[in-house]
Amino acid sequence: AQSVTQLDSQVPVFEEAPVELRCNYSSSVSVYLFWYVQYPNQGLQLLLKYLSGSTLVKGINGFEAEFNKSQTSFHLRKPSVHISDTAEYFCAVSDKTSYDKVIFGPGTSLSVIP
Amino acid sequence: DAGVIQSPRHEVTEMGQEVTLRCKPISGHDYLFWYRQTMMRGLELLIYFNNNVPIDDSGMPEDRFSAKMPNASFSTLKIQPSEPRDSAVYFCASSPYQSGRAETQYFGPGTRLLVL
Repeated sequence: AQSVTQLDSQVPVFEEAPVELRCNYSSSVSVYLFWYVQYPNQGLQLLLKYLSGSTLVKGINGFEAEFNKSQTSFHLRKPSVHISDTAEYFCAVSDKTSYDKVIFGPGTSLSVIP
Repeated sequence: DAGVIQSPRHEVTEMGQEVTLRCKPISGHDYLFWYRQTMMRGLELLIYFNNNVPIDDSGMPEDRFSAKMPNASFSTLKIQPSEPRDSAVYFCASSPYQSGRAETQYFGPGTRLLVL
């Protein structure tokens, strides 16, 4: 079974500053990895995903994430955040061998301070 | 495409009443998922369907919860009888089937349920 850990429940950051949201996973098999974003009072939407290939994945809104197999991590980064990035961010994992179900992490609340 | 449609968007009911939440997935998507989100427990998968067939309902809290998918364009999640601890936001998501796996999930806007 897979599990996802997001160590930071809340991350405040000033506008135009860089940010990194941490995600670690555990799995006995190879996995696919995702980051989803949830804006207030909305459903989740996909930011980016890692399925295979290059370990550096670029997503929407200037976000990117790097898959590190040895450290079982998939941290999300953005070099300069905007007020509009204030949202809840969820890391998620699914099993490559039977990819139907996605396991979501507890989420990290990003607050961008003007 | 209109995206995943959920109704109602908000529901307030009294303890003991039956609650039915509805979901219309994106046309052509083979998978449908029901999630519950609370502050305490985060996002929990309740049940998911593949081609209208329930695949995994291990996340359904108890017998008071039931879900159906009578056809490819409609699913319901029913709570009977409802209890205050069922208060949460319930999300429906759908996903296409590509290359032997369920790809990116597309979430609906959610139904905010309050049981008094």
